Amino acid sequence: QVQLQESGPGLVKPSETLSLTCTVSGGSISRFYWSWIRQPPGKGLEWIGYSDDSGSTNYNPSLKSRVTISLDTSKNQVSLRLTSVTVADTAVYHCARHPGSRNWFDSWGQGTLVTVST
Amino acid sequence: DIQMTQSPSSLSASVGDRVIITCRASQNIRTYLNWYQQKPGKPPNLLIYAASTLQSGVPSRFSGSGSGTDFTLTIGSLQPEDFATYYCQQSYNYPFTFGQGTRLEIK
Repeated sequence: QVQLQESGPGLVKPSETLSLTCTVSGGSISRFYWSWIRQPPGKGLEWIGYSDDSGSTNYNPSLKSRVTISLDTSKNQVSLRLTSVTVADTAVYHCARHPGSRNWFDSWGQGTLVTVST
Repeated sequence: DIQMTQSPSSLSASVGDRVIITCRASQNIRTYLNWYQQKPGKPPNLLIYAASTLQSGVPSRFSGSGSGTDFTLTIGSLQPEDFATYYCQQSYNYPFTFGQGTRLEIK
């Protein structure tokens, strides 16, 4: 059974870059699509974007200018970079797997809380 | 973006009740509609995909229906572990979008 685990700094200063890694175990990241989804405390879910092992990406237009998602198949990891963060980027960040480009999220990481603050 | 609107936003019900949650899309999304359950401190868990297909391991008291713009999630007989927040999500068009959530509470 595939397991996803997010990791990275829990505190980022405004204007800096948020960098997270999702380590996948129990299965290969190849032939799947991998998204990042975030959830501000007490609020709903926002899709950030996805990447696949061909390097194809698709990002939410609301974040597109600031986000990069990439895969490292040698390490079975998915990464997220979000530049120029503000307090509005404070959220729990989840990685999630979907079997196709227009499919459902069938496996999720537990999520990691990232707080943007001085 | 496709807007997803759930109703109600919150709901109180008792164990054994039949509960229906609705989700409306701002445009036709065919059957590209998925449902998730989320409990506090946990990630969302896939219940239903493609509007009506039950994810493996999900109890059969959960069912989904609909196509186009109107969808429903039905819980046939509420169990104590079903009290949670439920989200719909469209995967018809980018960006993927979620409903605002329906919080199901114990009456």
